[in-house]
Amino acid sequence: SQKIEQNSEALNIQEGKTATLTCNYTNYSPAYLQWYRQDPGRGPVFLLLIRENEKEKRKERLKVTFDTTLKQSLFHITASQPADSATYLCALERLGGGSQGNLIFGKGTKLSVKP
Amino acid sequence: DGGITQSPKYLFRKEGQNVTLSCEQNLNHDAMYWYRQDPGQGLRLIYYSQIVNDFQKGDIAEGYSVSREKKESFPLTVTSAQKNPTAFYLCASSMFHEQFFGPGTRLTVL
Repeated sequence: SQKIEQNSEALNIQEGKTATLTCNYTNYSPAYLQWYRQDPGRGPVFLLLIRENEKEKRKERLKVTFDTTLKQSLFHITASQPADSATYLCALERLGGGSQGNLIFGKGTKLSVKP
Repeated sequence: DGGITQSPKYLFRKEGQNVTLSCEQNLNHDAMYWYRQDPGQGLRLIYYSQIVNDFQKGDIAEGYSVSREKKESFPLTVTSAQKNPTAFYLCASSMFHEQFFGPGTRLTVL
């Protein structure tokens, strides 16, 4: 069955540094991968989508890579700020889920950026 | 202002009672989803619906029921058969790949 893993439960970094979060998946080849941000007690918010034919995608200080050979995505936040502190979720299309928006989510990585 | 609303934000119920969580969207999305989130467990899919009057079980449907009588609404009932109902419940909708989430309902069963 599909499996998606985010390697770190928590990541602590200093303000101004680059945060790098990892998402690995097994047992299938997704057409795209998504990243979401979730703040405590709130619903996740979509950040970026990257397709299998895109190696890299950027949005402001965010960068996502997608290596279909390694079955891995890396999510980078450059020049990190305390306001970036949140849990970041990786998501893939759910096999047999019908609609293209039906996703399976990783457990998330909690990022803490210290001033 | 388009979006997804969930009510109430906090809900308390006695053990053995059924409770219904509301989810409404005005995004004109066809697909809607219910998730449960527990600490350290991530998002687990309870039920989803791709179109009005149709829905499918997700990964943890036991003890839950849903209906989809209108495109805008996808209520979730937590029944007394759900063994551990205390959790944070999230509703979402999608048109294409991206999911839009509501603010969530925190259910506590006493």
